[in-house]
Amino acid sequence: QKEVEQDPGPLSVPEGAIVSLNCTYSNSAFQYFMWYRQYSRKGPELLMYTYSSGNKEDGRFTAQVDKSSKYISLFIRDSQPSDSATYLCAMTKTGGFKTIFGAGTRLFVKA
Amino acid sequence: GAGVSQSPRYKVAKRGQDVALRCDPISGHVSLFWYQQALGQGPEFLTYFQNEAQLDKSGLPSDRFFAERPEGSVSTLKIQRTQQEDSAVYLCASSLPRRDEQYFGPGTRLTVT
Repeated sequence: QKEVEQDPGPLSVPEGAIVSLNCTYSNSAFQYFMWYRQYSRKGPELLMYTYSSGNKEDGRFTAQVDKSSKYISLFIRDSQPSDSATYLCAMTKTGGFKTIFGAGTRLFVKA
Repeated sequence: GAGVSQSPRYKVAKRGQDVALRCDPISGHVSLFWYQQALGQGPEFLTYFQNEAQLDKSGLPSDRFFAERPEGSVSTLKIQRTQQEDSAVYLCASSLPRRDEQYFGPGTRLTVT
């Protein structure tokens, strides 16, 4: 079993929909949680970063962390075709250097 | 400003050849990471440098993989005697001491034939 599980999709939604992306993890030592967006043939770019539990909002993006359930989510409001990409969750442990990524969820937003 | 750059962008190697992949991090970023990304998968950690010190190399898959950062800026990932299973995109990322905000380069796509 992988330390971080993420449904690879693909997930296809109409423009303007609310998108929900999720990851589960098994190691309770993870404390830092990130979401990256990766366009085809590009490197990942950081979207959201959260420490420990709670919510964080940035424009159309909201990240949630539920440490009791070992479950993290990214919500995208008013989705746009330009949001079509692969979304990667990632996490690290306190004092550690190794970042563990999920497999990524491919998202398609149809105009 | 300039981001993380990697060269070459594409590399085709015959099985058994040695390859060297270069990463130029963002100026002033002391932390540097290498990742391997297979098709349809997330990046997998290979190694981490803080300045010139390699603090974690636990992700390197075999002793054929070697990374260095001799002056604390540019880094090279070397793969000796390449095998077909080494075919992947190799990503480099750099960050300030807050390791959570990593900035990725575009990657080098390695194909071993």
